[in-house]
Amino acid sequence: GENVEQHPSTLSVQEGDSAVIKCTYSDSASNYFPWYKQELGKRPQLIIDIRSNVGEKKDQRIAVTLNKTAKHFSLHITETQPEDSAVYFCAASREAAGNKLTFGGGTRVLVKP
Amino acid sequence: DSGVTQTPKHLITATGQRVTLRCSPRSGDLSVYWYQQSLDQGLQFLIQYYNGEERAKGNILERFSAQQFPDLHSELNLSSLELGDSALYFCASSPVGTSNTEAFFGQGTRLTVV
Repeated sequence: GENVEQHPSTLSVQEGDSAVIKCTYSDSASNYFPWYKQELGKRPQLIIDIRSNVGEKKDQRIAVTLNKTAKHFSLHITETQPEDSAVYFCAASREAAGNKLTFGGGTRVLVKP
Repeated sequence: DSGVTQTPKHLITATGQRVTLRCSPRSGDLSVYWYQQSLDQGLQFLIQYYNGEERAKGNILERFSAQQFPDLHSELNLSSLELGDSALYFCASSPVGTSNTEAFFGQGTRLTVV
């Protein structure tokens, strides 16, 4: 089955700096890659997603890149703010495999003011 | 508010007991997913139902079972509970059978086994 590795497990950045989280996946047939943000004690919420027919997607301060050949995708947060502090999860899925989302282990991001 | 409702929010029970967690998906969503999140851990996929039928299965223990009813709500049954089953259990729903759309998560049920 699909396996998603996520790095780093923790990331501390100064407010205003950029944060980058990287994920690799094992199933070359995976074609959907969402990123979820989970604040302490709350539910995961989708912040951005990318499909395999696109190499990059941007939404304000957040961008995601996908390299299908290398089977990795990354989340980039620019101009970080304290409210970006949370746990971020990447995930991968493909339509034919029952469509379950396989999550990475999560990255705890701390933005220091 | 995601539109996904989970009850109860908190549950404390003893080892060996059985509990049922309930999930009502967003209106119109046919797929329901269950995930387990242990303390400081990631999200482990347990099982998915689509329109009443099991669609995909993850690392779900034999002591755990689930079902989706005709009104599309789902229940996760956990039996012979062990201390290690203590976790946050999330339900998520999505509109169609493919997961290539956003999954909306409920607020979770925090299960504590003592």
